[in-house]
Amino acid sequence: DARVTQTPRHKVTEMGQEVTMRCQPILGHNTVFWYRQTMMQGLELLAYFRNRAPLDDSGMPKDRFSAEMPDATLATLKIQPSEPRDSAVYFCASGLERGNTEAFFGQGTRLTVV
Amino acid sequence: RKEVEQDPGPFNVPEGATVAFNCTYSNSASQSFFWYRQDCRKEPKLLMSVYSSGNEDGRFTAQLNRASQYISLLIRDSKLSDSATYLCVVSHRSNTGKLIFGQGTTLQVKP
Repeated sequence: DARVTQTPRHKVTEMGQEVTMRCQPILGHNTVFWYRQTMMQGLELLAYFRNRAPLDDSGMPKDRFSAEMPDATLATLKIQPSEPRDSAVYFCASGLERGNTEAFFGQGTRLTVV
Repeated sequence: RKEVEQDPGPFNVPEGATVAFNCTYSNSASQSFFWYRQDCRKEPKLLMSVYSSGNEDGRFTAQLNRASQYISLLIRDSKLSDSATYLCVVSHRSNTGKLIFGQGTTLQVKP
């Protein structure tokens, strides 16, 4: 059963520490999204890759966030330094650039910055 | 103003009721439309795509009004298991492009 895998599932860290979240998209999918979900803002798109190239990262705070796809099987989202306001659930989703295809979400990384 | 707007609810309805959610979008270049469902503390999952002619999947009917830029979801004969948050999603491209999510509408179906 193909699925998007995110690690870690939960992360508690202290303010100022670096946080790295990882995502393994579904094999063969060429589009990867990073979303952040909070009660106040809902799901916000942070970054969006197609064929490993970043297409849109306008939703991402550039000073502390970075997103990369070192290869087709791994996407990373890094926060350095982390702040309490970064506490949220971070979702990765993958899809295929073909027709009206759905995006499949991972189970998310629940980040708490204290 | 958010690009995709939904009434957050909650909508509290009895089992068997019919309930409708609306969603408006501001970008007239939006081409693809979806409803996703998200259960508490889980990831969003696709419920259904929304086509220009409207489409139905069992108890669920989705409609699109391009002129007024709104999308609707109708749930008939609601079940306890329909309790969830329903997310309206638009994309600017007809193939998995940038997906913009609304805040979601929470539905609670009561016995």
